[in-house]
Amino acid sequence: GAGVSQSPSNKVTEKGKDVELRCDPISGHTALYWYRQSLGQGLEFLIYFQGNSAPDKSGLPSDRFSAERTGGSVSTLTIQRTQQEDSAVYLCASSLAPPASNTEAFFGQGTRLTVV
Amino acid sequence: AQSVTQPDIHITVSEGASLELRCNYSYGATPYLFWYVQSPGQGLQLLLKYFSGDTLVQGIKGFEAEFKRSQSSFNLRKPSVHWSDAAEYFCAVESADKLIFGTGTRLQVFP
Repeated sequence: GAGVSQSPSNKVTEKGKDVELRCDPISGHTALYWYRQSLGQGLEFLIYFQGNSAPDKSGLPSDRFSAERTGGSVSTLTIQRTQQEDSAVYLCASSLAPPASNTEAFFGQGTRLTVV
Repeated sequence: AQSVTQPDIHITVSEGASLELRCNYSYGATPYLFWYVQSPGQGLQLLLKYFSGDTLVQGIKGFEAEFKRSQSSFNLRKPSVHWSDAAEYFCAVESADKLIFGTGTRLQVFP
């Protein structure tokens, strides 16, 4: 595709339910990132993938959050037993290589998650 | 760990006025620094980045930023703001293969 694609664009879920958010990176991009943007907050780093492995999961806020990446392409962020404080916009980004390699990270439009 | 601080949460300027958005970083060595813009309903778009060399960096949409090591700053500037520049602006620093973002500055432009 032409850019980073995220689905769904909006998701409303009941507290306690599990949700899956999907990210399709730009073809050929080996680095993939998930961020969370809460109202009035900056972008909070969640997890970084290089290929299918996640060398940095330090930003995942709790064990209810997990992510995987298959085939070096699509990534899924899963939130189990959602809580109201999980409501935010979840952004995915991809790049040819990590930022230190002087490459650009491209962001998707995000998934707006609302937990009611 | 590296971090960036954007001291201004909200800035309002008149169309045609000059603009400077502040960004301060914390890092001992030369950092890799970025400015992104997020327009309403849009994803984040890279405006410019600094890696090395010339400390004055030119970006898209008429923006520029200057890296000042002595002040640990990477402020974003534009000589004349257009109404379409109204958006949220994020400064970021590379840290351990990922971008660490500031909390953002929301720019409002009055006609």
